[in-house]
Amino acid sequence: EAGVTQFPSHSVIEKGQTVTLRCDPISGHDNLYWYRRVMGKEIKFLLHFVKESKQDESGMPNNRFLAERTGGTYSTLKVQPAELEDSGVYFCASSLLDRGANYGYTFGSGTRLTVV
Amino acid sequence: RKEVEQDPGPFNVPEGATVAFNCTYSNSASQSFFWYRQDCRKEPKLLMSVYSSGNEDGRFTAQLNRASQYISLLIRDSKLSDSATYLCVVTRMDSSYKLIFGSGTRLLVRP
Repeated sequence: EAGVTQFPSHSVIEKGQTVTLRCDPISGHDNLYWYRRVMGKEIKFLLHFVKESKQDESGMPNNRFLAERTGGTYSTLKVQPAELEDSGVYFCASSLLDRGANYGYTFGSGTRLTVV
Repeated sequence: RKEVEQDPGPFNVPEGATVAFNCTYSNSASQSFFWYRQDCRKEPKLLMSVYSSGNEDGRFTAQLNRASQYISLLIRDSKLSDSATYLCVVTRMDSSYKLIFGSGTRLLVRP
């Protein structure tokens, strides 16, 4: 079974540019989460999709971040315009709908974003 | 104050040693508890869930004290391959089961 796939694995962009991160969850996983770890801080929740619907987006830092999950399959996270403080590692995780955190999520290997 | 607090370490121990990590959480509504392991520049991976009755998986033992809001992880007979960052993680009943992470405790096992 393919795991959670994220790309790009690395992205270096200039302040003010736009970047789009993509996450392909495990097939059949209706829950999809985005998390972020900025330098020196703990991993923090950004948002949660159930299928194509945003269930919880309380962790999104500001309106420069836009997440979508069209058709309930893969998800994208767009940062526009990027700022220096957006640098960090962005993780995606997925799980079956009836298997929440108790069974653990499967994380992707992350996208390391550097804004210069 | 962070919702999940951990000693960042590093804990530097010889192979074969027993090492214990502790974690405290501040939200009494926390529902589920986990230890994740994260290797350098890799994604977090579930190590084990933590239950009030305590649970063991090979060399790893986890304990939860709900009254004290305290979680522990004990690693016996440390291996070089145990070197990693150990993340204490909780979920809350009032959330969409999102994970609340501690900053992690770094373990270095030396030969």
